[in-house]
Amino acid sequence: DQQVKQNSPSLSVQEGRISILNCDYTNSMFDYFLWYKKYPAEGPTFLISISSIKDKNEDGRFTVFLNKSAKHLSLHIVPSQPGDSAVYFCAASAIFQGAQKLVFGQGTRLTINP
Amino acid sequence: EPEVTQTPSHQVTQMGQEVILRCVPISNHLYFYWYRQILGQKVEFLVSFYNNEISEKSEIFDDQFSVERPDGSNFTLKIRSTKLEDSAMYFCASNQVAGLGTDTQYFGPGTRLTVL
Repeated sequence: DQQVKQNSPSLSVQEGRISILNCDYTNSMFDYFLWYKKYPAEGPTFLISISSIKDKNEDGRFTVFLNKSAKHLSLHIVPSQPGDSAVYFCAASAIFQGAQKLVFGQGTRLTINP
Repeated sequence: EPEVTQTPSHQVTQMGQEVILRCVPISNHLYFYWYRQILGQKVEFLVSFYNNEISEKSEIFDDQFSVERPDGSNFTLKIRSTKLEDSAMYFCASNQVAGLGTDTQYFGPGTRLTVL
């Protein structure tokens, strides 16, 4: 079951540059998309989200872009900082029988080099 | 800032034993969830819970699993007879208005379950 895919298991970016993390999905029922950041031995921390009726949402250094026709979303972090080093999970949400269910990608490990 | 809490942080058990993982969701949230992450794999949905009943469960959530909200604050996941393959990080999550489908789920720090 590969409904949400993050094809890059890892990404290394220089401090101050832009980090771009990508995510693809297959199920057209998904209507809400989230990015979570995760440090080792901690739970996923919510970062930013986007509804399927939008194509862009921005929050400080973080911007999420959604291309519904391509079933693709991306997270841009600019400028990248060392504290951004973590695993980033893309998640897609849909309502099934009245309940929300998140489907996660495999994660991308982002390393910001000083 | 309100947060989801989970206890214990690490649970070690023998195969065949029962374990109960505990969660305290954010106080004004109405929808509760359990997810798990086996080492090196993706985070997987187990079950959602609303109004004192299961809303949806995945195929992982078989008869060995159960959830309960025994009081106004705790939300528990019980595994009746643990198997080696139950070893994973278990995350509790909650949100306020899942019915809209556009409400963020907030996660706890997780319980690492090790089955020997």
